[in-house]
Amino acid sequence: SQTIHQWPATLVQPVGSPLSLECTVEGTSNPNLYWYRQAAGRGLQLLFYSVGIGQISSEVPQNLSASRPQDRQFILSSKKLLLSDSGFYLCAWSVGQAGAGEPQHFGDGTRLSIL
Amino acid sequence: LAKTTQPISMDSYEGQEVNITCSHNNIATNDYITWYQQFPSQGPRFIIQGYKTKVTNEVASLFIPADRKSSTLSLPRVSLSDTAVYYCLVGPLYNFNKFYFGSGTKLNVKP
Repeated sequence: SQTIHQWPATLVQPVGSPLSLECTVEGTSNPNLYWYRQAAGRGLQLLFYSVGIGQISSEVPQNLSASRPQDRQFILSSKKLLLSDSGFYLCAWSVGQAGAGEPQHFGDGTRLSIL
Repeated sequence: LAKTTQPISMDSYEGQEVNITCSHNNIATNDYITWYQQFPSQGPRFIIQGYKTKVTNEVASLFIPADRKSSTLSLPRVSLSDTAVYYCLVGPLYNFNKFYFGSGTKLNVKP
């Protein structure tokens, strides 16, 4: 069966520090991968998606970047964190052609607090 | 992009049927309607998806009228464990786009 792993579960970082969140998927090949951010009490905001190795699409201009160095690995990064980067970060995957209607499977998220 | 409108919150009691309606007035011909459930501090979980009329699975039913400008998620006989946020999502099945999760509906099931 397919599984998705995100780590760390929680993270506290000072303003201006770098960030690296990792997400890996097991049990499937060539998945579509997604990074979302959820502010407290709000809906999910799509940040990045990838349909293949090295292919990254950004949905909103921001202080973050994403990379996909391997088929089932998706990394979210920042060189200098801002207070506004605080939130709940979720990684997700789907199979088949990438689409809004294609069911996505989410990880358990990373809660990031910026001090 | 078809944005969605849902009630911010709903209350229910154990054993009742709950219907959550989502409005999507500018839904496109090739858009599908998908519902997700999210518990606190967890990622959303896919519940059900449909294009028109009625879809039913072991968890819920999805009712979509002929004009497709709205949809209703029906949860039969809810329990306390159904307390969660429910998101309605509208977008093309393929051809990825900037789809929109919205703020969802917070369902509170009381004993």
